[in-house]
Amino acid sequence: NAGVMQNPRHLVRRRGQEARLRCSPMKGHSHVYWYRQLPEEGLKFMVYLQKENIIDESGMPKERFSAEFPKEGPSILRIQQVVRGDSAAYFCASSPETDYGYTFGSGTRLTVV
Amino acid sequence: GNSVTQMEGPVTLSEEAFLTINCTYTATGYPSLFWYVQYPGEGLQLLLKATKADDKGSNKGFEATYRKETTSFHLEKGSVQVSDSAVYFCALSDPIMTGGGADGLTFGKGTHLIIQP
Repeated sequence: NAGVMQNPRHLVRRRGQEARLRCSPMKGHSHVYWYRQLPEEGLKFMVYLQKENIIDESGMPKERFSAEFPKEGPSILRIQQVVRGDSAAYFCASSPETDYGYTFGSGTRLTVV
Repeated sequence: GNSVTQMEGPVTLSEEAFLTINCTYTATGYPSLFWYVQYPGEGLQLLLKATKADDKGSNKGFEATYRKETTSFHLEKGSVQVSDSAVYFCALSDPIMTGGGADGLTFGKGTHLIIQP
């Protein structure tokens, strides 16, 4: 029973490139959340998705960032034209439909050079 | 809006010492409260939770009591071990803000705990 799987674990991108971060939720979990952890800070909520729907994207920057959770396959967090300030750890969490039992992945550490 | 404030780290203790990590919160509704632990290079793991006032969450020797009157959820352990060294995050979930159901968590900044042998 695999947990929340995120890949890649580490991602290095040059300024202006695109970053794609993937998250496969736990089996049976239909809710996916993305969080960003900046150095010396806590986790900040970015976006909450269910299959094929964005439920709440209030924590996600309006430009360059997008997220999807297709009917088949993992959830994708996409950052276009990355800048140095995007360097952070990005964590995905999933939960069952009617419970507050969030399970987190190990994160993707994005470094923009 | 909702917020979580926890004590600044790092907190350095000797093995078998008593641990307290303070956490206070501000919330609009009646939140559920959580403590998560993050070991180096890993994701967050749920340590314990409490869903209503006066509830006590406990796991692996750690405890925290939901105190509505002081809006606090302090984490305690009677005798820490080297293996407890990690970053601890206090968090809340406030379903009133989103009309109920699963929603995002609001986290504190984390407290780095270092236990020396």
